[in-house]
Amino acid sequence: NAGVMQNPRHLVRRRGQEARLRCSPMKGHSHVYWYRQLPEEGLKFMVYLQKENIIDESGMPKERFSAEFPKEGPSILRIQQVVRGDSAAYFCASSPSQGKETQYFGPGTRLLVL
Amino acid sequence: GESVGLHLPTLSVQEGDNSIINCAYSNSASDYFIWYKQESGKGPQFIIDIRSNMDKRQGQRVTVLLNKTVKHLSLQIAATQPGDSAVYFCAEKGVSSASKIIFGSGTRLSIRP
Repeated sequence: NAGVMQNPRHLVRRRGQEARLRCSPMKGHSHVYWYRQLPEEGLKFMVYLQKENIIDESGMPKERFSAEFPKEGPSILRIQQVVRGDSAAYFCASSPSQGKETQYFGPGTRLLVL
Repeated sequence: GESVGLHLPTLSVQEGDNSIINCAYSNSASDYFIWYKQESGKGPQFIIDIRSNMDKRQGQRVTVLLNKTVKHLSLQIAATQPGDSAVYFCAEKGVSSASKIIFGSGTRLSIRP
């Protein structure tokens, strides 16, 4: 029973490049959430998606950030024209359908912008 | 020099003793609460949850207490072991069945041998 999978685990980008972070939810889970964590801080919600729909993007920066969860394949968090302040750990979580509330987290992608 | 960034509160406990980690939550409308454990370099791991219609819930070596009057949660870990060393986050969730989780600032638990 595989858990939430994220790749890459570590990503290094130079300022101005694009970062693509992938998340495969647990089997049978159709709700995906993305969170960002700065060092020594708690996780901050970014976006909540179901298959092909963005449900809540209230935590997403207005520019450069986008997320998708296509019908087939993993959820993608995309950061365009990265800046040093984007350096953080990005975690994906998933929960089952039928409104179950527990979210299970992946191992995260650590993004470093040089 | 001036320090930058937040510093997590730290709880240091003797191995074998019980640990109590406290958390104050913000939203009186929250009806679901979760404790997560995060080890260095890893994602948050679910420990235990509790709904607002309960005031206590027990798991294996862990107990969560909820006091809605003062909006306070606590996590009790019995017979603390070295493997319990981690940052512990309380989290709250709103009335919507699939809404975002709001994390607290976390407490670092360190174990003295």
